[in-house]
Amino acid sequence: GAVVSQHPSRVICKSGTSVKIECRSLDFQATTMFWYRQFPKQSLMLMATSNEGSKATYEQGVEKDKFLINHASLTLSTLTVTSAHPEDSSFYICSARSGGANSPLHFGNGTRLTVT
Amino acid sequence: GIQVEQSPPDLILQEGANSTLRCNFSDSVNNLQWFHQNPWGQLINLFYIPSGTKQNGRLSATTVATERYSLLYISSSQTTDSGVYFCAVRDDKIIFGKGTRLHILP
Repeated sequence: GAVVSQHPSRVICKSGTSVKIECRSLDFQATTMFWYRQFPKQSLMLMATSNEGSKATYEQGVEKDKFLINHASLTLSTLTVTSAHPEDSSFYICSARSGGANSPLHFGNGTRLTVT
Repeated sequence: GIQVEQSPPDLILQEGANSTLRCNFSDSVNNLQWFHQNPWGQLINLFYIPSGTKQNGRLSATTVATERYSLLYISSSQTTDSGVYFCAVRDDKIIFGKGTRLHILP
């Protein structure tokens, strides 16, 4: 089946530093990937839609200059949290569709970010 | 936008029990998926079920698109079934419900 690999699984960083999270589709090409954030005991909130070869589409309230998304190839999207602050601590999850617009979503295992 | 409601929000059951989780949505959708998020945060795709009924082992799901709901059935629960179950629907974007937190007691 379709596999999405996300790395790292956990990261601890200091306030003010930047962290890059990678999301790869291992056995399929994904023109579109999605980035979600999940706070403890809450649901997944879509942050942005990452489109290969073009700019990401950000959801309302998500700062595009803080959460930089790059989708340079059909199998890789990256999310960089710039100048991280403790309130950015969260669980970040990427997903991708293995087919057309109505095909199933497949998720990475998530990245738990802790900003100290 | 479309609203997705899941019930119950929390469920505690003894191992071996059966359960039914419900997902209601406020408008017609293009697809619906059920996911299980285990205690380590991993999201596991259970069913892609925009309509009809599917079964996979002890789990089955039914979506009645015309009545805007989907049900997830878990039979003979095991402790490994614990976690949060999400349904997600697609309108112009993918929207998750708030989940049902299931705890199976040994």
